[in-house]
Amino acid sequence: NAGVMQNPRHLVRRRGQEARLRCSPMKGHSHVYWYRQLPEEGLKFMVYLQKENIIDESGMPKERFSAEFPKEGPSILRIQQVVRGDSAAYFCASSPRSLAGPYEQYFGPGTRLTVT
Amino acid sequence: RKEVEQDPGPFNVPEGATVAFNCTYSNSASQSFFWYRQDCRKEPKLLMSVYSSGNEDGRFTAQLNRASQYISLLIRDSKLSDSATYLCVVNPGFGNDMRFGAGTRLTVKP
Repeated sequence: NAGVMQNPRHLVRRRGQEARLRCSPMKGHSHVYWYRQLPEEGLKFMVYLQKENIIDESGMPKERFSAEFPKEGPSILRIQQVVRGDSAAYFCASSPRSLAGPYEQYFGPGTRLTVT
Repeated sequence: RKEVEQDPGPFNVPEGATVAFNCTYSNSASQSFFWYRQDCRKEPKLLMSVYSSGNEDGRFTAQLNRASQYISLLIRDSKLSDSATYLCVVNPGFGNDMRFGAGTRLTVKP
């Protein structure tokens, strides 16, 4: 059973470009979470999604950031018009469908975004 | 006040030492608690869940104190391989959301 997959693992963008980060959850998992980790800092929750629904986006910046988890395909975190401050590691995690959750989350290897 | 607070450390201990980390959380409705471990430039990995009655997994013991709203992690007989950042994780009481502490860095030295 493959774990959580993220791609690309490393992404370099110039200021003003768009960054698209992809996350495929573990098989059987229908909940996806995105976190950002700045150098030498802790994980910051960004958004929690189920298929075709955003459940909690309280950690998402109000502008330039968006996330989706379509019925088919991976979850996408999209950052428009990137700035240097967006440089960070972006981790995706997944968990099973909650009946009596919450369940622990399993993390992907992360995407390291560098904005030049 | 942060939702989840941890002493950032670093904790530098010799091999074989016993070390304990505490973590406090602000939401009294929190239902589930976990400890994760993160190695440098790697993804966090689940270390153990924390149950109300406390639980032990080998050299690791986790405790929950709901009245004081803190959880703890005790590591006995520290190994060099225990060197990592330990993340306290709390479900804030709704859905599957989790909130992570900033982590406590541990270095075990020979």
